[in-house]
Amino acid sequence: DTGVSQNPRHKITKRGQNVTFRCDPISEHNRLYWYRQTLGQGPEFLTYFQNEAQLEKSRLLSDRFSAERPKGSFSTLEIQRTEQGDSAMYLCASGGQRLNEKLFFGSGTQLSVL
Amino acid sequence: TQLLEQSPQFLSIQEGENLTVYCNSSSVFSSLQWYRQEPGEGPVLLVTVVTGGEVKKLKRLTFQFGDARKDSSLHITAAQPGDTGLYLCAVHDSGGYNKLIFGAGTRLAVHP
Repeated sequence: DTGVSQNPRHKITKRGQNVTFRCDPISEHNRLYWYRQTLGQGPEFLTYFQNEAQLEKSRLLSDRFSAERPKGSFSTLEIQRTEQGDSAMYLCASGGQRLNEKLFFGSGTQLSVL
Repeated sequence: TQLLEQSPQFLSIQEGENLTVYCNSSSVFSSLQWYRQEPGEGPVLLVTVVTGGEVKKLKRLTFQFGDARKDSSLHITAAQPGDTGLYLCAVHDSGGYNKLIFGAGTRLAVHP
């Protein structure tokens, strides 16, 4: 499968625990986006990487959230001290070099914080 | 207030019926995209409309961009159970890096 891969697909955690999600974009894509989607809403932008550089972060990305893309390939999104309000689907999308190129989304990681 | 208002929020219909869903805004956009998202999956791009008044067809789906490029509609003819899903409209943020801004979506259920 050469699409965008996200792991794990589901994560259940207790409030206060740390969680980390991984995204493997399509191999030749240098643009990578993270989005969050809650029930009944569309995806909301969290952060954007161009290669290994994190170029934009949403105000939604509190200081408990950190994202990395160390070698410009896969990316990780970590949430520290999770809260019940963090429960959501976390989606990753990647795109080619040109900004107007189509984005491809992964299947997401569904996080439930108990 | 959402930049993109989608209506209706939910739609439950029988197989074979026709339906139209809407995406409205007070802002003008250079382009607008429609996505379909199935449960437990990420959104998949259906179409991009660029020109005011443009109509694009994808099998039984017809997409229209408003003349003023502020709104769009998606019409499905003879809906099938396979059309079930969340239909999202989205536009690119003008601030750069081409991030997408989504509406809240229309959740469609087509019953056999």
